[in-house]
Amino acid sequence: DTAVSQTPKYLVTQMGNDKSIKCEQNLGHDTMYWYKQDSKKFLKIMFSYNNKELIINETVPNRFSPKSPDKAHLNLHINSLELGDSAVYFCASSPWDSYYEQYFGPGTRLTVT
Amino acid sequence: KQEVTQIPAALSVPEGENLVLNCSFTDSAIYNLQWFRQDPGKGLTSLLLIQSSQREQTSGRLNASLDKSSGRSTLYIAASQPGDSATYLCAVRTNRDDKIIFGKGTRLHILP
Repeated sequence: DTAVSQTPKYLVTQMGNDKSIKCEQNLGHDTMYWYKQDSKKFLKIMFSYNNKELIINETVPNRFSPKSPDKAHLNLHINSLELGDSAVYFCASSPWDSYYEQYFGPGTRLTVT
Repeated sequence: KQEVTQIPAALSVPEGENLVLNCSFTDSAIYNLQWFRQDPGKGLTSLLLIQSSQREQTSGRLNASLDKSSGRSTLYIAASQPGDSATYLCAVRTNRDDKIIFGKGTRLHILP
């Protein structure tokens, strides 16, 4: 079984659209994360979230918002997509208050045209 | 099992000094190593990324080196400033599975 899964794997969309990427983990972890990986493979954390606290990286535009319907899911919503949003987005999870060991999903390659 | 260790756990230096933070990892089968900065109450900020095939990366006053065979990385900060005060974390992305393992960080305090 995949520990952390993301859907879709690829997403191609036009500027201005609103899209979502789904993430699910079956590890029973309490904390989930969203990362953006740029063209140089640089991993930038966007959000970390558990059932008590959402930490948002201050550089993330407010067009990006995480939505957690339950502990096993953290979906990423993006409004008014821009060309610069094109990247690979990774979801990850870790036991609560222990970000030291994070399990990553396979990534979603978002292309905005 | 990959383990990441950072020494020292805390460091205080006067403003203007150059300093080195250390990171060691037990399994050299890494995809890359990344240095992050964490300010109190805030998320992680990415600083430098070194791919497994690279030896070093530089950004402004920061220079990170990687010696994969010995399982070590250093973060060099030149001409330290009070604004550099933060916790610095290194993290390795493993080859064997989809994990990133973080060290516990070095808490840096630059004295004005």
